[in-house]
Amino acid sequence: QSALTQPASVSGSPGQSITISCTGTSSDVGGYNYVSWYQQHPGKAPKLMIFDVNNRPSGVSNRFSGSKSGNTASLTISGLQAEDEADYYCSSYTGSSTLVFGGGTKLTVL
Amino acid sequence: QVQLQESGPGLVKPSETLSLTCSVSGGSISGYYWIWIRQPPGKGLEWIGYMSYSGSTNSNPSLKSRVTISVDTSKNQFSLKLSSVTAADTAVYYCARGGNYYAYMDVWGKGTTVTVSS
Repeated sequence: QSALTQPASVSGSPGQSITISCTGTSSDVGGYNYVSWYQQHPGKAPKLMIFDVNNRPSGVSNRFSGSKSGNTASLTISGLQAEDEADYYCSSYTGSSTLVFGGGTKLTVL
Repeated sequence: QVQLQESGPGLVKPSETLSLTCSVSGGSISGYYWIWIRQPPGKGLEWIGYMSYSGSTNSNPSLKSRVTISVDTSKNQFSLKLSSVTAADTAVYYCARGGNYYAYMDVWGKGTTVTVSS
């Protein structure tokens, strides 16, 4: 299975909004509403931020939102804060009953 | 609050079998899917596979022939065995709980570093 495609890096200033894309195929992202997003700070375990395309777990800020169009899913972070600086990974269920991750995106808050 | 803790050798010799255990505390292992993920140094996340409390299992096609995942409900633990390891298997290994069967990982362990070297 091929990794989902994410931009290597994105950046934004405090208070701004940014969007991270996650592109797959009709066999993963486009075929199922099972896209999730994870935040990972250096040296820490990943943290679930969005599940099932656009659902937030309890305790995750409503500044984080998810969406999907065709084979591309997106994570939007509004009102950027310094603590949002981290690596972000998308993941999708696949038609082979497996999961596949994106390559990860490094978010820099300027 | 469910917590997960990985344990196992931090150093494994090439061609040998990597064995890790994930202990589940604060909740039952029953009723959920249990997942292993790894992250090579400086690289992204790689999904290894899952096993459910009832025994259904699947793994990454690229690792399938070498991966065994098992669940011990009596000990509230699940385990990973990866055979015939090489340096490419050096990584931080995470255990996690599956949400919506295994469509996402909602609880993660802190991770354990495994180095493959002679």
